[in-house]
Formats: sequence, C-alpha cells, structure tokens
Amino acid sequence: KNEVEQSPQNLTAQEGEFITINCSYSVGISALHWLQQHPGGGIVSLFMLSSGKKKHGRLIATINIQEKHSSLHITASHPRDSAVYICAVYNNNDMRFGAGTRLTVKP
Amino acid sequence: EPEVTQTPSHQVTQMGQEVILRCVPISNHLYFYWYRQILGQKVEFLVSFYNNEISEKSEIFDDQFSVERPDGSNFTLKIRSTKLEDSAMYFCARRLTTGANVLTFGAGSRLTVL
Repeated sequence: KNEVEQSPQNLTAQEGEFITINCSYSVGISALHWLQQHPGGGIVSLFMLSSGKKKHGRLIATINIQEKHSSLHITASHPRDSAVYICAVYNNNDMRFGAGTRLTVKP
Repeated sequence: EPEVTQTPSHQVTQMGQEVILRCVPISNHLYFYWYRQILGQKVEFLVSFYNNEISEKSEIFDDQFSVERPDGSNFTLKIRSTKLEDSAMYFCARRLTTGANVLTFGAGSRLTVL
C-alpha cells in the first residue's frame, strides 16, 4: 500500500468549475506539501500545511491531522490550472510523494 | 529569494559513465534536497543535506550516489557508473530553516543514459 494516496488520478473539468483533489496518508508527518508540476516538468510548491487551512488566490488547502487527510480546492478553475498536482508528506527530512492528480481544465 | 538553478538542464551519457548534477545557490541556512522522477512515475526522495552533512537518505540513495559541496556554493549529486534505469529527471530543492518553510524547486536536470 502506498504511503500517500491521491484521488482522483485524472480529472477533467470545464472552465469555472470547483475542483477538489484529495490526499490520504498512512505515516506520521510533520507537514504536508501540495505541489504543482507543469507539462514541461517544473515543480512549484503551492502550500505547506501542518494544520488547518491555507488560501492563496483561487487555491485552498486543508488538512485534518487526525484523519490523515488533506484536500486541495481550486475555485473558478481555468485552463491555465491544467497540471499535475502532487501531495507530498514530510517527516524528519524525508519526503514521500503521491502519484499525482492530472488535472485538465477545458475552456 | 534567489531561485534554485540546476545544471545541466539535460545530459546524455553512456552507461557506466559518471554524472555530476549541480544545484545553486547553497547556504548554511538552508536544507537541500535531491529528488528523482522517472518518466511517467511519481517523484521520489533521494537525500536531504544540511550543514555539510546528509540528514536523511532514502533506500534509493545507495553507494552509487553521493552529494557534496565542492566549493561552498554548488550542491552536487554524483551518480557513479550510471545504469539505464538512472534515466530520470533529477530535481534539487531548498527549504529555509526559518519563515514559511516552503520548498523551492529547481527546473530539474534530465538525465538520459544510453
């Protein structure tokens, strides 16, 4: 069983839709990262969470430590949001990655 | 904050050759990480480095791999005797020890072993 599970694996949405990507993990963590990987391969860190909720623009990330679950929400999705979104959990300088969710937003 | 620059962006090498991938800048106030992503697969942690020492390494990071600070500014990943399965994108990332603790990734170095 993977230590970090993401769902869905693939997601296609129409522009403007509200999007949720989920991440469940089975190990103890000190923090959780949401990353965005563009088609060219570059990786950008979106959020680092250890509790609660964070918001940046149209992106919202939440984490429930007790349930070992995090969600990434995108409001008013846009084609430029199309990318792979990766959940990664962090503990003692070791990071474990989910397989990623490939999001395609159609105009 | 300075960006993380990786060189080379792409390297093609023959099986059995040694490869050195570089990452700048480096500071004593940063954690540095190397990750690997084989094409079509998920990102994998290789090693973390802080204050001239490896702080954590994964099971992937065996004797074939080493990390160094050869001149105090670069952070290098050396892969000895490359194998076909070492073909991957290698990402360097840094994390400040203070403030937001956000990871900043380099653009990656694509290694192709023939």
